[in-house]
Amino acid sequence: DTEVTQTPKHLVMGMTNKKSLKCEQHMGHRAMYWYKQKAKKPPELMFVYSYEKLSINESVPSRFSPECPNSSLLNLHLHALQPEDSALYLCASSQDKGEPYGYTFGSGTRLTVV
Amino acid sequence: GENVEQHPSTLSVQEGDSAVIKCTYSDSASNYFPWYKQELGKRPQLIIDIRSNVGEKKDQRIAVTLNKTAKHFSLHITETQPEDSAVYFCAASIKASGTYKYIFGTGTRLKVLA
Repeated sequence: DTEVTQTPKHLVMGMTNKKSLKCEQHMGHRAMYWYKQKAKKPPELMFVYSYEKLSINESVPSRFSPECPNSSLLNLHLHALQPEDSALYLCASSQDKGEPYGYTFGSGTRLTVV
Repeated sequence: GENVEQHPSTLSVQEGDSAVIKCTYSDSASNYFPWYKQELGKRPQLIIDIRSNVGEKKDQRIAVTLNKTAKHFSLHITETQPEDSAVYFCAASIKASGTYKYIFGTGTRLKVLA
């Protein structure tokens, strides 16, 4: 299995809703990432998990809350979002063996906040 | 802070011609440089990468060159085809908090004209 699977593919939520994005990989990768991508812009790093521990938080607002229940799963919990948070949310994974490796990206969740 | 500059932002070539995209990075400790292709509405996909101990790498019609002294790296696509039309992102690795993250360039929209 060489895929990173993200669900849902599309999500529309109100500013008072609570929702979660899910990401799963079975490649044995021990580094997992959340990125946010706005139209015509590069992916912007939000969080990095290494061996199921949060290692990087790029000063992301607390209305985004990541969780890594095990080495294959990564969640992003959303609460009280703003319309400007509408974007494509990408999960990625890579090997973590003391040197950098390329990412495998999931197909993303297109989030619209209304 | 760390950044990656990418040029040009848009590039149009005739089918069969070559395309070159250039990136410059700021962190001299960066040692891994991946390139991603993102088609409209799809995920970024790793197409080629290079490590700092190598000056050039080739995979069929795609090649990447690296000049560590000048902190430049470039993507070369030969014999371009319409299906090469996409946005291309370069990236450079940064070590942070015991793991790696990537700083992305701003992207190049490549159009191959049939």
